Amino acid sequence: AQKVTQAQTEISVVEKEDVTLDCVYETRDTTYYLFWYKQPPSGELVFLIRRNSFDEQNEISGRYSWNFQKSTSSFNFTITASQVVDSAVYFCALSVWEYGGSQGNLIFGKGTKLSVKP
Amino acid sequence: NAGVTQTPKFQVLKTGQSMTLQCAQDMNHEYMSWYRQDPGMGLRLIHYSVGAGITDQGEVPNGYNVSRSTTEDFPLRLLSAAPSQTSVYFCASSPLDRYTEAFFGQGTRLTVV
Repeated sequence: AQKVTQAQTEISVVEKEDVTLDCVYETRDTTYYLFWYKQPPSGELVFLIRRNSFDEQNEISGRYSWNFQKSTSSFNFTITASQVVDSAVYFCALSVWEYGGSQGNLIFGKGTKLSVKP
Repeated sequence: NAGVTQTPKFQVLKTGQSMTLQCAQDMNHEYMSWYRQDPGMGLRLIHYSVGAGITDQGEVPNGYNVSRSTTEDFPLRLLSAAPSQTSVYFCASSPLDRYTEAFFGQGTRLTVV
């Protein structure tokens, strides 16, 4: 069975602090994909990153960085120098390679609500 | 680019009423799906489709019906609404490849009283 655990329900930081959102996943499949989505207060889901199981290279995009470690089944997300606009719920999600390659069947964690205070 | 369009954005239903949540995408994606989002639960898959005429159940299908007569549309039907179906519903689409992420609609907030 597949599962995604985001143990941090809510995190509150002060602007300019760094913050790491944890994500631990479970799957027996060797080919899978991990995602992070952001859900701002307006409610839409914003895609942030996709990582496949064969690529453990960390990624940095501006103030965002992701650390993928297969050895610990973790895909953590760090925001450097947080800003008020980063306040949102962040979801980690997992999909496995099936149905001819669809990544649509996403298994979501319960989300982490990040509040960045000025 | 419209992407994935959901209608309506908000809806209030009485228990026992039926309704259809509409989802349309203009990206010619084969794969479409419906999720519901409840507080503290994340998003859970209701139904999905890998192409016109093909649908299957997800994690929480009870109380919902779907059909896929065209590539573009994937409506979600509530036959007899129950308060437990109060939720935010998201439709998503993606191509059948391993390179493209799922695109989500704006969501439909449904309240059943």
